[in-house]
Amino acid sequence: DAGVIQSPRHEVTEMGQEVTLRCKPISGHDYLFWYRQTMMRGLELLIYFNNNVPIDDSGMPEDRFSAKMPNASFSTLKIQPSEPRDSAVYFCASSSGLAEGLDTQYFGPGTRLTVL
Amino acid sequence: AQSVTQLGSHVSVSEGALVLLRCNYSSSVPPYLFWYVQYPNQGLQLLLKYTSAATLVKGINGFEAEFKKSETSFHLTKPSAHMSDAAEYFCAVSLDSNYQLIWGAGTKLIIKP
Repeated sequence: DAGVIQSPRHEVTEMGQEVTLRCKPISGHDYLFWYRQTMMRGLELLIYFNNNVPIDDSGMPEDRFSAKMPNASFSTLKIQPSEPRDSAVYFCASSSGLAEGLDTQYFGPGTRLTVL
Repeated sequence: AQSVTQLGSHVSVSEGALVLLRCNYSSSVPPYLFWYVQYPNQGLQLLLKYTSAATLVKGINGFEAEFKKSETSFHLTKPSAHMSDAAEYFCAVSLDSNYQLIWGAGTKLIIKP
């Protein structure tokens, strides 16, 4: 398996623009997680899905952030409008859940977002 | 509430020396414990996990961690550091009832030649 795939790897945009980050989880994994990593706040869970259904979005910072999972092999994280404080590395991770017995998560390489 | 504390945001050791990265947790129920590693410009990768079987857990790349309930600790060790071990290491805890990992702040391991 190719692992978790994220695109783009790098995104530079201007304040106010819409940004869409994409993730393809490992085939067969039932859980998908979106994280944000910054120097100041470390690793933060934004939202996670089980079988394409959002389970917990309490980590989504504000209404400017939205996430969807239209099918088992694709998810998006959208920021509209973007702000400089959104600059971070965004990770997608997937997990097979109980199949591996525990919360073992497989991370993608991340998208480094810079908002100017 | 569950929490994870990693002592030391940066740890520096010489190549060939013992690596010790500290992790303490608080949990109201027996936890599941994890160590993840993040190499520069990469995503996190599972290093090892504690699942209440053996208290000494062996992971990849020669790392191991010991679960000590009396000390609420899950420290990560490696007998001899290698330059390729330079990375950031994250300790995490989860409960059985959900799939949210509670993450520590991370410890950056620096290897001196």
